[in-house]
Amino acid sequence: AQTVTQSQPEMSVQEAETVTLSCTYDTSESDYYLFWYKQPPSRQMILVIRQEAYKQQNATENRFSVNFQKAAKSFSLKISDSQLGDAAMYFCAYRTYSATSGTYKYIFGTGTRLKVLA
Amino acid sequence: DTAVSQTPKYLVTQMGNDKSIKCEQNLGHDTMYWYKQDSKKFLKIMFSYNNKELIINETVPNRFSPKSPDKAHLNLHINSLELGDSAVYFCASSQDFGGRAFFGQGTRLTVV
Repeated sequence: AQTVTQSQPEMSVQEAETVTLSCTYDTSESDYYLFWYKQPPSRQMILVIRQEAYKQQNATENRFSVNFQKAAKSFSLKISDSQLGDAAMYFCAYRTYSATSGTYKYIFGTGTRLKVLA
Repeated sequence: DTAVSQTPKYLVTQMGNDKSIKCEQNLGHDTMYWYKQDSKKFLKIMFSYNNKELIINETVPNRFSPKSPDKAHLNLHINSLELGDSAVYFCASSQDFGGRAFFGQGTRLTVV
């Protein structure tokens, strides 16, 4: 079964500094999607960044970038120039396809709480 | 326009009651989901519907009954509420192409 592991329950970063959140996953599939979602105190789930497994190039969205290592099954999120508004729970997620049901589902890691220090 | 909307945002109710949470998406997606987020923030899938048809039921007690009157709606009805049902429930939708799931704002259910 696919699993997603976030080994850092909590991280802190100084404003304007860079922080990296870790995520590993387990799968036997060759094509899939990986995501980072942000959940601020408002509890809204906000997509931060998305990576397609068949693309070797790491995805980038402004200050957010990933380090996707397919062979190592690692998908870390780097936040550059951290801002106070980046403080939130960050969830790594994997989209898996079920051939028996013919549909997708999203499996989430346990989350990393990011604190941004002024 | 809100892509995925849930109502209500907050729900406080007594043990033993029956309650419903409504969800609507205006994205034209074929697949809708219900996720439960517990007090430790762990997100776990409960149900998945594709074109009004139940596809995934992840060992959820049968007190939970999803209903999909049409492709744009997936409601969650909970019978005989228990204290352990207290959580945040998220509705989501997705399309095969594109990959991402769109989430509603969540419903915080508190059973007292």
